[in-house]
Amino acid sequence: DAKTTQPPSMDCAEGRAANLPCNHSTISGNEYVYWYRQIHSQGPQYIIHGLKNNETNEMASLIITEDRKSSTLILPHATLRDTAVYYCIVRVAQGGSEKLVFGKGMKLTVNP
Amino acid sequence: DAGVIQSPRHEVTEMGQEVTLRCKPISGHDYLFWYRQTMMRGLELLIYFNNNVPIDDSGMPEDRFSAKMPNASFSTLKIQPSEPRDSAVYFCASSLGRSDTQYFGPGTRLTVL
Repeated sequence: DAKTTQPPSMDCAEGRAANLPCNHSTISGNEYVYWYRQIHSQGPQYIIHGLKNNETNEMASLIITEDRKSSTLILPHATLRDTAVYYCIVRVAQGGSEKLVFGKGMKLTVNP
Repeated sequence: DAGVIQSPRHEVTEMGQEVTLRCKPISGHDYLFWYRQTMMRGLELLIYFNNNVPIDDSGMPEDRFSAKMPNASFSTLKIQPSEPRDSAVYFCASSLGRSDTQYFGPGTRLTVL
């Protein structure tokens, strides 16, 4: 089972920042938070990941709360092409194997 | 790099037929993952390999499903015999190491009539 909860959907205006929330209250100290997105009919695409500190790359920023129980993915200037299902994932380590467990994700719709 | 390559992109077959899906991982990646995506169950991990050896196949639904990785640049997922409930999009992904980012292919959309 996925260890994260996300709202099912969110709308955002084109050009504005999109702030995508995720709760992971049972996360363990050595587990990372990963974000992927899936644009319709394509394979999931890696966005960013982090452990404790905030992270930024060319696609997005990831803000993780100090207690690590929640995080926010920020798309600073959303475009129509950012419309996708966004998955927040806690990478689980079990018995020596590591898996990405995808939940239902959150559908982000960027409107013109 | 071309990324993860999957073939065919679309497959339509009849119940009872054998289906073989193919994947070429990114060169140099030593982990390969097979996922299945359906509306009902979302994206599920079926099996993954490390250095061509299956490590965890606990997600494989039943004996009709089998996966092989004969070399570092090729893997197959076979369904024999296929059933309508196997209709789904099957994704292959690869990563450089166990803890590294997984890169997904475009998927194979399988329809079993």
